[in-house]
Amino acid sequence: RKEVEQDPGPFNVPEGATVAFNCTYSNSASQSFFWYRQDCRKEPKLLMSVYSSGNEDGRFTAQLNRASQYISLLIRDSKLSDSATYLCVVNDYKLSFGAGTTVTVRA
Amino acid sequence: NAGVTQTPKFRVLKTGQSMTLLCAQDMNHEYMYWYRQDPGMGLRLIHYSVGEGTTAKGEVPDGYNVSRLKKQNFLLGLESAAPSQTSVYFCASSEGTYNEQFFGPGTRLTVL
Repeated sequence: RKEVEQDPGPFNVPEGATVAFNCTYSNSASQSFFWYRQDCRKEPKLLMSVYSSGNEDGRFTAQLNRASQYISLLIRDSKLSDSATYLCVVNDYKLSFGAGTTVTVRA
Repeated sequence: NAGVTQTPKFRVLKTGQSMTLLCAQDMNHEYMYWYRQDPGMGLRLIHYSVGEGTTAKGEVPDGYNVSRLKKQNFLLGLESAAPSQTSVYFCASSEGTYNEQFFGPGTRLTVL
């Protein structure tokens, strides 16, 4: 079983829509969690950390469910510029990356 | 600040050739990492370093060697390239184990 698993998508949504997707992780002792964003043929960049109580950063909301071992990312009021691959990252002394969920926002 | 830079950006090798990828960071980070990214797979850790003069194996270290002679540089070597090493290689750095990692722009390597 992979350490971090994501639905690869793609999620194809119109501008203004809400899109949400999850990521599951296998190590119950994992300490910290992140969402990174990767644009086509570019390097990954940190989007946001994921805290136990859930957290928001503008239109982005991240949630952590330790009991079921998954984290989620919700994007509200999608913009064309949100089109990217979103990488789920779990840290238990090293970073383990999911393969990514591709989101395409259409006009 | 340039952040994390990688040299070269692209390279084509023949099977059996050797090469070195250079990563440099100007953020005074202790930790540095080398990853490879293949289609449909997450980034996989090749080797990492927790400080100048130290290196350690990651998830997929076979066929690669690394050196960290200076704090700001982390070199990845391929002694005898194989087609299976065709990939995009990313270098990253961070202040510590649980801190954000900053990535370089990547090196696209093709081994024929």
